[in-house]
Amino acid sequence: DADVTQTPRNRITKTGKRIMLECSQTKGHDRMYWYRQDPGLGLRLIYYSFDVKDINKGEISDGYSVSRQAQAKFSLSLESAIPNQTALYFCATSDDTGQVYGYTFGSGTRLTVV
Amino acid sequence: LAKTTQPISMDSYEGQEVNITCSHNNIATNDYITWYQQFPSQGPRFIIQGYKTKVTNEVASLFIPADRKSSTLSLPRVSLSDTAVYYCLVGELIYRRNRDDKIIFGKGTRLHILP
Repeated sequence: DADVTQTPRNRITKTGKRIMLECSQTKGHDRMYWYRQDPGLGLRLIYYSFDVKDINKGEISDGYSVSRQAQAKFSLSLESAIPNQTALYFCATSDDTGQVYGYTFGSGTRLTVV
Repeated sequence: LAKTTQPISMDSYEGQEVNITCSHNNIATNDYITWYQQFPSQGPRFIIQGYKTKVTNEVASLFIPADRKSSTLSLPRVSLSDTAVYYCLVGELIYRRNRDDKIIFGKGTRLHILP
């Protein structure tokens, strides 16, 4: 099983619909992140969470919300999807010890808003 | 957070050594340099990290000059499977509970290996 699992892998939704992307991890990391990737724009940070009670906005949080249900679960919601939210979404984790190995990413969710 | 600049794209041939340079002129004393690799439709994965001089692992080498204002990722004898986007990131170690402690991924360098 993957260390960081994202569901669904692919999703097509209609404009105005609410949609939730889910992320779960088995690494035992405290920190979790949601990124969005668009062609030619690299990865942009949407939200991040240092623990269950600590959630912070990233570069592009408008139009998104998150929920940290448990240490292992971090969900991203689009309250009312719009076409320019069509992108590849990645969840990532990292620990907060003295380790230097960085982030572990999931395989991504490809979201299309029509 | 230190801003990084790296080439948008590079081409090379199988069997050659590839060097990708990243500029980070305003790197801070506590910053480390980390490189990630991303294949199409996959999440980025950690390749190598260093603070100064040279670091080598089974995948790559990382060269960092004394002033630390740039770094070079070296991939020895590349193959077609090394075709990917490579990201250079600069920041503190992720062990501090610091609200600003987040790493920003730029656009990366798209490396295309030709047969």
